Amino acid sequence: QKEVEQNSGPLSVPEGAIASLNCTYSDRGSQSFFWYRQYSGKSPELIMSIYSNGDKEDGRFTAQLNKASQYVSLLIRDSQPSDSATYLCAVNWQYGNKLVFGAGTILRVKS
Amino acid sequence: DVKVTQSSRYLVKRTGEKVFLECVQDMDHENMFWYRQDPGLGLRLIYFSYDVKMKEKGDIPEGYSVSREKKERFSLILESASTNQTSMYLCASSSGTRGYTFGSGTRLTVV
Repeated sequence: QKEVEQNSGPLSVPEGAIASLNCTYSDRGSQSFFWYRQYSGKSPELIMSIYSNGDKEDGRFTAQLNKASQYVSLLIRDSQPSDSATYLCAVNWQYGNKLVFGAGTILRVKS
Repeated sequence: DVKVTQSSRYLVKRTGEKVFLECVQDMDHENMFWYRQDPGLGLRLIYFSYDVKMKEKGDIPEGYSVSREKKERFSLILESASTNQTSMYLCASSSGTRGYTFGSGTRLTVV
């Protein structure tokens, strides 16, 4: 079992729709969870962090965390073509400062 | 406003050369990391450092070494470059369990 798993996609949504990206992780000791956005040819950019169960909203982005089920998700409301990118889920590993990354989900927003 | 700086954006080196990739951060972060990113393989951790002069191997350290003489600088060294080390190299830094800030990356081609 991979440590951090994401559906590779591509996930295609129409402009204005809600995009839902999911991630599961295997380390029950993980405490910090992050979503990164990576445009083609660019480096990853941190867009959301979440540390406790529940929802965290920031603009059009909402991160959701369920530690009992070991999943974290990212919702993007009112999706725009500029949201088309690869989204990486990252989880801290074994109470340490090292992050483990999922392979990423490709999101395509069609206008 | 650049916070993690990688010395070269593109680099072409010959097989057998010793290659130095430099990374500097200005955020006083204690943690620094080197990853490589390849299509289909995601981000793979090469080495990381939690403090000056200390280093720890990541998942794929073979063929690489690192140096951290000052808190702000973390260097990746390819002892004898090989074609299978052609990749995008990403440096990142962090403080505590907060998310990483990545540099813009170095695309290395070994011919």
